[in-house]
Amino acid sequence: GAVVSQHPSWVICKSGTSVKIECRSLDFQATTMFWYRQFPKQSLMLMATSNEGSKATYEQGVEKDKFLINHASLTLSTLTVTSAHPEDSSFYICSAPGTGHYGYTFGSGTRLTVV
Amino acid sequence: DAKTTQPNSMESNEEEPVHLPCNHSTISGTDYIHWYRQLPSQGPEYVIHGLTSNVNNRMASLAIAEDRKSSTLILHRATLRDAAVYYCILSTAGYALNFGKGTSLLVTP
Repeated sequence: GAVVSQHPSWVICKSGTSVKIECRSLDFQATTMFWYRQFPKQSLMLMATSNEGSKATYEQGVEKDKFLINHASLTLSTLTVTSAHPEDSSFYICSAPGTGHYGYTFGSGTRLTVV
Repeated sequence: DAKTTQPNSMESNEEEPVHLPCNHSTISGTDYIHWYRQLPSQGPEYVIHGLTSNVNNRMASLAIAEDRKSSTLILHRATLRDAAVYYCILSTAGYALNFGKGTSLLVTP
């Protein structure tokens, strides 16, 4: 089935710095990628939808200037958390719509800790 | 988006079948019924999905009510590795999946 590779798996950064998270579709072309955030003991919350070659669409309440999404190619979408603060510490997950019979594909997630 | 209702938690013994219910009374004709599961600190994993007919794959079976207002995910023989949060989600093809709280499945030896 389709595979989405997400890196890094975990990252610790200092408050005020930026962190980039990458999601690559390994064996298919993803024209669309969804980005989620998950806080402890909570469900996944959709942050934004990225489309190859165009601007991302952000969900209400998500700061587009803080969470920069780039989808420059059919196999790579990136999420950059700019000027990170401790409240941005969370589990970030990307997902691509499914191909064939395999449903949607999810990355393995990135645990971001801002200190 | 049409919403789904699932029990917060369920418990099963190892090697016994598990039936995870999901109610979706406001489902529309174009909504697919998706099931995903998530282990701690991992991204969700696809389990199964269907539209109208029952579906089987190597992981599970999906039984869909005739009126499509409910469905049941069936794990035929639960193992300890099946302990996870199971999400029942309705979606139109290509749109983002909106996750509810899911059912936390506990499997005991």
